[in-house]
Amino acid sequence: DTGVSQNPRHKITKRGQNVTFRCDPISEHNRLYWYRQTLGQGPEFLTYFQNEAQLEKSRLLSDRFSAERPKGSFSTLEIQRTEQGDSAMYLCASSQGTSPTDTQYFGPGTRLTVL
Amino acid sequence: GQNIDQPTEMTATEGAIVQINCTYQTSGFNGLFWYQQHAGEAPTFLSYNVLDGLEEKGRFSSFLSRSKGYSYLLLKELQMKDSASYLCAARRSNDYKLSFGAGTTVTVRA
Repeated sequence: DTGVSQNPRHKITKRGQNVTFRCDPISEHNRLYWYRQTLGQGPEFLTYFQNEAQLEKSRLLSDRFSAERPKGSFSTLEIQRTEQGDSAMYLCASSQGTSPTDTQYFGPGTRLTVL
Repeated sequence: GQNIDQPTEMTATEGAIVQINCTYQTSGFNGLFWYQQHAGEAPTFLSYNVLDGLEEKGRFSSFLSRSKGYSYLLLKELQMKDSASYLCAARRSNDYKLSFGAGTTVTVRA
């Protein structure tokens, strides 16, 4: 069973540019989550999908952020008009909602640097 | 909201035992997770507690007291590779997201 994968692993962009990240969850995991992590902090929740439905968005997710999971498999997170404050590690996780613990398994993350 | 507290740093000697404490204030609490995160890598799942008591998995054990809003992760027979950040995370009923503490950086010295 392959784990959660994310692409790209690193992204450097200039302020004002748009960026898009991709997450491929563990196969047959119906739940997918996006988190953001900055240095010295734990991951902060951004948004969550059950199958293709986006069920919750954090207030951290400004209008410049959008996430999709069109076929209930992979997901994309887009940031428009990037700002320096968007620099962080963006983590994706997935879980099997029918399991007793519903444990979330994380991907390697995409490290975004906004210059 | 949720308030999750854990110490920032701990140092221990190879072969020793370290206990990382975590306190939480979570309404509708429904589970406490521990993750290990090496620098620059993804968090990896270590343990899950939802009922009071101790869960043991090899060198790692995790304890939960729901009435006290308290958990600890116990690392035994420390190895150099255990140097990492350890994240405590709580979950609420009917809410799938995790709320994480800031993490405890454990440094294992020879």
